[in-house]
Amino acid sequence: GENVEQHPSTLSVQEGDSAVIKCTYSDSASNYFPWYKQELGKRPQLIIDIRSNVGEKKDQRIAVTLNKTAKHFSLHITETQPEDSAVYFCAASTSQAGTALIFGKGTTLSVSS
Amino acid sequence: GAVVSQHPSRVICKSGTSVKIECRSLDFQATTMFWYRQFPKQSLMLMATSNEGSKATYEQGVEKDKFLINHASLTLSTLTVTSAHPEDSSFYICSATGTGGSGYGYTFGSGTRLTVV
Repeated sequence: GENVEQHPSTLSVQEGDSAVIKCTYSDSASNYFPWYKQELGKRPQLIIDIRSNVGEKKDQRIAVTLNKTAKHFSLHITETQPEDSAVYFCAASTSQAGTALIFGKGTTLSVSS
Repeated sequence: GAVVSQHPSRVICKSGTSVKIECRSLDFQATTMFWYRQFPKQSLMLMATSNEGSKATYEQGVEKDKFLINHASLTLSTLTVTSAHPEDSSFYICSATGTGGSGYGYTFGSGTRLTVV
């Protein structure tokens, strides 16, 4: 089955700096890669996703890049703000109906002002 | 957008009792429901996948007789933790995919914090 590795486990940055979180996956059939932000005790919130036919996707301060050959994808947050502090999870799945998202172990991002 | 309503949000039960958690899709047909468990400061771990009208498929290491999953309709799936023990204390969350209003995508419930005392 799919295995998703995520690094780093913790990341501390100064407000205004950029933050990068990296994930690798094992199943070459995976073609959907979402990123979630989760606050304590809350459901994961989708912040951006990318499909395998695209190499990069951007939404304001957030971008995701995908390298299918190397089986890795990354989340980039620019101009970080204190409210970006949270736990971020990457995930992967195939597009087949009934296939679950498999999550990475998470990254705790702390943005200090 | 697609909504999955999960109840209860918090529950405290005594060791040895059973607890039922419900997830309802409000504006789409949840053909598949995924159940995850999340221990403190850990990731979401897939417990089982259920398709409407079929038996659930459990991940390795998850006891199917302990975690009973029912997905009898396209809008309701339940997870029953039977004979709960303190080590079952965790955050349980469902996620649905389906047809109707949501299109392709994973819609998460709000989670259930289970504490077994």
